[in-house]
Parts: sequence; C-alpha cells; structure tokens
Amino acid sequence: ILNVEQSPQSLHVQEGDSTNFTCSFPSSNFYALHWYRWETAKSPEALFVMTLNGDEKKKGRISATLNTKEGYSYLYIKGSQPEDSATYLCAFKSGGGADGLTFGKGTHLIIQP
Amino acid sequence: GAVVSQHPSRVICKSGTSVKIECRSLDFQATTMFWYRQFPKQSLMLMATSNEGSKATYEQGVEKDKFLINHASLTLSTLTVTSAHPEDSSFYICSAPSSREVSNHYGYTFGSGTRLTVV
Repeated sequence: ILNVEQSPQSLHVQEGDSTNFTCSFPSSNFYALHWYRWETAKSPEALFVMTLNGDEKKKGRISATLNTKEGYSYLYIKGSQPEDSATYLCAFKSGGGADGLTFGKGTHLIIQP
Repeated sequence: GAVVSQHPSRVICKSGTSVKIECRSLDFQATTMFWYRQFPKQSLMLMATSNEGSKATYEQGVEKDKFLINHASLTLSTLTVTSAHPEDSSFYICSAPSSREVSNHYGYTFGSGTRLTVV
C-alpha cells in the first residue's frame, strides 16, 4: 500500500503572509507527483505535475519543489490572499501506465483577512 | 480547458435502491476514467478504472458487482451503486486524463463529485 502523507492537516495564515506545506511519498517507483487545489463544491484544479528530481515549478504566487530521492515535495504560497483558501492535495503516481493516483489527505488552508 | 461534468452533485437514497452517477467529458474524449471515493477525514481512494469499450478494472476490496461501471462512449462513464447500504454513503468523484493519450505529464481533470447518503 502506497503511503502519501501531507502536513499539516490544516493551517491558518494571515493575509499577506507566506506559507508552505509538505507532501511525502515513496521514493521508489516514482513517476510523477501532482498538486491540486480544491475548493469546496468545485472540482480539484491541477496546479503542477512534477516529474524530475530537483524540479521547481511556479504559477503566479504558488510554487512547488520536488525531491524524489528523499520522497518529499513542498508547496509554497507567497503573499497569501483570501482566495488561496482551499484544500491542497498532492498525489503520487508510480509507473507510466494508465494508473490512477494515490492521494494524501490534503492540507486545509484558511487565509484570515 | 478540459472539463468533466459530474451529476448528480448530491443524492439521498433509501437502503436497497440503486444510484447512478454520470461523468461526461465536455470538450475532450476520455478513453479512461478513474473513479474515486472519499470517506470523512480520509484521502481520495481509487476504486476502479474504466476504459471505453472494455471492462473496468477494480482495486482490491472493491466489489465489482456492487459498483457497476459502464464506459460505453468516449465522453460518458457511469458508476452505479447497486443495492446501496448506509456504509456506501461517501463522496464519489471521477477523473480523466486531460488528453486522449494517457500521459503522466498531463494533469487529470476531475468532476465536482457526488455526495451519496444512503438512509
């Protein structure tokens, strides 16, 4: 059974502050690591698909890093805004076939004005 | 961008009845559709993978006779929970690779989910 852990489970951040959270995953049989942003009553929105060790991707104020050798990824949000409030999911993919993803439980982020 | 429309968003049914959940890819063809469920405070767990024109593959511990999956076209996959019981109450969500070719370098597009309550 693949184990994908996210921490913290929830996080309250003051508007304007920067924050980050962690996803840990198996370091063997790695193929890709996905990050999603999920607002209540909406579909999860793809943020990043990360495949290479040392990779760093950026989308506006959100960025992510990847360490496949030690099995972790960080998601960073710079200058948090209320609209960043959501649950952030990471998901691990092993193998290159038509397989589903193994998800963590998510980090629930609340930005306080 | 790619959109998957999932219906219904919420359903309450009586124990012993069947419920059908539909997922349609609106602007792309979904050769493959993944079905997940999520129990409270748990992660999304893959239940089954449906492939257009062939039988679905189920994850260990998921009863294929209880969760019937049909993927008869490139734009529609359905999950039917048969003879539902209270323990089937959960959040069900579908997902498809956002490309005709399954590729790890593409994100997966999700439906918005279905909250099933069996009373």
